[in-house]
Amino acid sequence: QVQLQESGPGLVKPSEALSLTCIVSGGSVNTDSYYWSWVRQTPGKGLEWLGYIYYTGSTNYNRSLKSRVAMSIETSRNQVSLRLTSVTAADTGVYYCARDRGFGWYDKWGQGTLVTVSS
Amino acid sequence: NFVLTQPHSVSESPGKTVTISCTRSSGAIGSNHVQWYQQRPGSAPTNVIYEDNQRPSGVPDRFSGSIDSSSNSASLTISGLKTEDEADYYCQSSSDTYNQRVFGGGTKLTVL
Repeated sequence: QVQLQESGPGLVKPSEALSLTCIVSGGSVNTDSYYWSWVRQTPGKGLEWLGYIYYTGSTNYNRSLKSRVAMSIETSRNQVSLRLTSVTAADTGVYYCARDRGFGWYDKWGQGTLVTVSS
Repeated sequence: NFVLTQPHSVSESPGKTVTISCTRSSGAIGSNHVQWYQQRPGSAPTNVIYEDNQRPSGVPDRFSGSIDSSSNSASLTISGLKTEDEADYYCQSSSDTYNQRVFGGGTKLTVL
């Protein structure tokens, strides 16, 4: 059974960078079957797609965040990572790692990790 | 990018049927698959419908999805409502341009 687990600092200062890791167990990230995605949920708001990374390292980011977001993949560690720079309070929320089978069909999700942006 | 608009909330009684709509602002609803996600408080979303009308294994057949080209919208219908269906529901689709994923704003379903 594939499981995804996010980890990273729960508190980030404004203007700094947010970095999260998603460890995948029970399956490999090194496969052409899925896109490894990040989705966030800010307080009182809905879901926002941040982007995805393919096993080749190819990425596709939300164009509204494109200049601040970067994703990477480490097949040797079976994990993917998210980096979001120049954060503000508006970036506070729960960040999810999810497996995309294509066109946004997320069949596996991590439990999510809460990130608070505050000084 | 287009916007997916959902009603903010809906409510219905146990045993009844409810339909949640998801209207696409531009571009044809049928041009990209629509997925639906259920999110209970404190939990990650789970997929209940994919590819417009397909149910993942384990999702009861009380859940069904459809698209309507005339209204440019997708719908999630839940029949035989149970209290456990009370949750937030999100539709999702993609754009042909830049292959961006888009979520609807979510609908809070209350079963009372």
